Amino acid sequence: AQSVSQHNHHVILSEAASLELGCNYSYGGTVNLFWYVQYPGQHLQLLLKYFSGDPLVKGIKGFEAEFIKSKFSFNLRKPSVQWSDTAEYFCAVDSGAGSYQLTFGKGTKLSVIP
Amino acid sequence: DADVTQTPRNRITKTGKRIMLECSQTKGHDRMYWYRQDPGLGLQLIYYSFDVKDINKGEISDGYSVSRQAQAKFSLSLESAIPNQTALYFCATSGTGFPDTQYFGPGTRLTVL
Repeated sequence: AQSVSQHNHHVILSEAASLELGCNYSYGGTVNLFWYVQYPGQHLQLLLKYFSGDPLVKGIKGFEAEFIKSKFSFNLRKPSVQWSDTAEYFCAVDSGAGSYQLTFGKGTKLSVIP
Repeated sequence: DADVTQTPRNRITKTGKRIMLECSQTKGHDRMYWYRQDPGLGLQLIYYSFDVKDINKGEISDGYSVSRQAQAKFSLSLESAIPNQTALYFCATSGTGFPDTQYFGPGTRLTVL
């Protein structure tokens, strides 16, 4: 079974700091990759996704992620965070083998201090 | 307007009770999913359905059952609730394209006493 690892459980940043959240997956074949965000008390919303093509994908709210196949990684980045980015971030992987199932990481909680 | 709705949004029940959580969607999607979320564990797949006649177990299906009443409705039942089923439950849907994106409902917070 594939697994998804998110390296940080809780990240605390000041406003305007740069953000990078790590995500590594274990599946060696074709994958489809997602980052979801969950704001306090809300449901999961899609930030961005990678299916194929340019490994640098841009999402909503200034977020981007880079797929590095050789490192089995899909790290999320934002150059300058805002207080409103305080949320929990989940990386998810679809193995691409026709399973249509997402495997989620355990999440990284981001707290942005004004 | 919400595309994926869940009822109830909050529920407190007692051990041994039967509970049903309901999910409805207006996205016209064929595929529907139930997940549970526990703090620090991310989301785990309970059941998924690709159409009305196709239901599959996920990684943590024990203690749960589902019913796909129509394309737009997918219910999750706890036949005899136990305290370790206290969690946040999410329904999700996706279209028939591959790959495709899953869209999540607002969640149901279930507490089993």
